[in-house]
Amino acid sequence: NAGVTQTPKFRILKIGQSMTLQCTQDMNHNYMYWYRQDPGMGLKLIYYSVGAGITDKGEVPNGYNVSRSTTEDFPLRLELAAPSQTSVYFCASSYRIYNSPLHFGNGTRLTVT
Amino acid sequence: DQQVKQNSPSLSVQEGRISILNCDYTNSMFDYFLWYKKYPAEGPTFLISISSIKDKNEDGRFTVFLNKSAKHLSLHIVPSQPGDSAVYFCAASAQTNAGKSTFGDGTTLTVKP
Repeated sequence: NAGVTQTPKFRILKIGQSMTLQCTQDMNHNYMYWYRQDPGMGLKLIYYSVGAGITDKGEVPNGYNVSRSTTEDFPLRLELAAPSQTSVYFCASSYRIYNSPLHFGNGTRLTVT
Repeated sequence: DQQVKQNSPSLSVQEGRISILNCDYTNSMFDYFLWYKKYPAEGPTFLISISSIKDKNEDGRFTVFLNKSAKHLSLHIVPSQPGDSAVYFCAASAQTNAGKSTFGDGTTLTVKP
């Protein structure tokens, strides 16, 4: 049982480049999330989705876009990368949106120089 | 305004002793609380949770206590083991906020043999 899988594990981008962080889950969870974690800080919610075709902004959505065409996949798009987007990105899923723990992937470490 | 605070960035305890990790919150609408454990280069994993209708929840060596009047929760690990060395995140959610979790900044626990 793979759970939540994120690719790539590491990536270095130059300022202004774009990339897509991939996330897929095999638990048939409707709810999926993207968080970022800066050094010494907690996780901040970027975007979330309550099902295929439905997404909404979290706490720190600027500079990112998401799509949810299937239950399994929830890619995160970075357009015009900036040094402030240097972070570790975690994708997560849950069975319910409330009263249900998050299942996290192992993260993507992104550096923008 | 940080709604979930873990005021101790680090904690060091001897193997076999009790570890107590603390978490304070400011939003009185929070009604579901979780603890996650994170090892380096991995995603957070769910440890234990508590609903606001309870003041204690126990799972093996892990117990979470909730004091709603003080807006405080704590995680007790007894006895502590070297494998418990990790970063512990406190998270809180509110049904009125679509259940989205707000995380603290984490406490790094080191258990010395």
